Amino acid sequence: DAGVTQSPTHLIKTRGQQVTLRCSPKSGHDTVSWYQQALGQGPQFIFQYYEEEERQRGNFPDRFSGHQFPNYSSELNVNALLLGDSALYLCASSTKSRGAYNNEQFFGPGTRLTVL
Amino acid sequence: LAKTTQPISMDSYEGQEVNITCSHNNIATNDYITWYQQFPSQGPRFIIQGYKTKVTNEVASLFIPADRKSSTLSLPRVSLSDTAVYYCLVGDMGPGGGADGLTFGKGTHLIIQP
Repeated sequence: DAGVTQSPTHLIKTRGQQVTLRCSPKSGHDTVSWYQQALGQGPQFIFQYYEEEERQRGNFPDRFSGHQFPNYSSELNVNALLLGDSALYLCASSTKSRGAYNNEQFFGPGTRLTVL
Repeated sequence: LAKTTQPISMDSYEGQEVNITCSHNNIATNDYITWYQQFPSQGPRFIIQGYKTKVTNEVASLFIPADRKSSTLSLPRVSLSDTAVYYCLVGDMGPGGGADGLTFGKGTHLIIQP
């Protein structure tokens, strides 16, 4: 059973460019959350997708957008990249089934984005 | 979500028991306490979750006093591979809570020495 997978593993962009990151959730999961983790900090919640819609959003500007596909996979898009967007971007999957045990979120290995 | 306070770093030695305490004075009635572990360049990994008293699994134990204003993660007989950052999270994350976005603090950097 594959866990959460993310691609690419590393990415280098320049200021002003746009980037798309991809995530495939753990089998059986229907909810995908995205987090940004700057060096030395804890992960910060960006947004969550369920049933192909954004359901929750953290304190991030609308340069950050996303999408969820019918197979539950998801993309994170960041426009007009800033130097401060350099971080590890983590995807986590879970299920909103009310029978789910403890609503644990399973994280992928992340995509390391460097903005020059 | 309730604010949490935990030590920035801790040191211990192989074979010792390590206890990491987290303060959450404003915990709400529906809130659960959850701990995640993160190794460098990896995503966080769920360790344990509890609501009150004591919870134990194959990895750790979680002790929660009656007032629930703090909790202690206990790692028995640590090894070098337990060196990681440990995050304490408090929120409505229990069964049926809906798996909403998680709020992480800076965590506790645990360093295990030989």
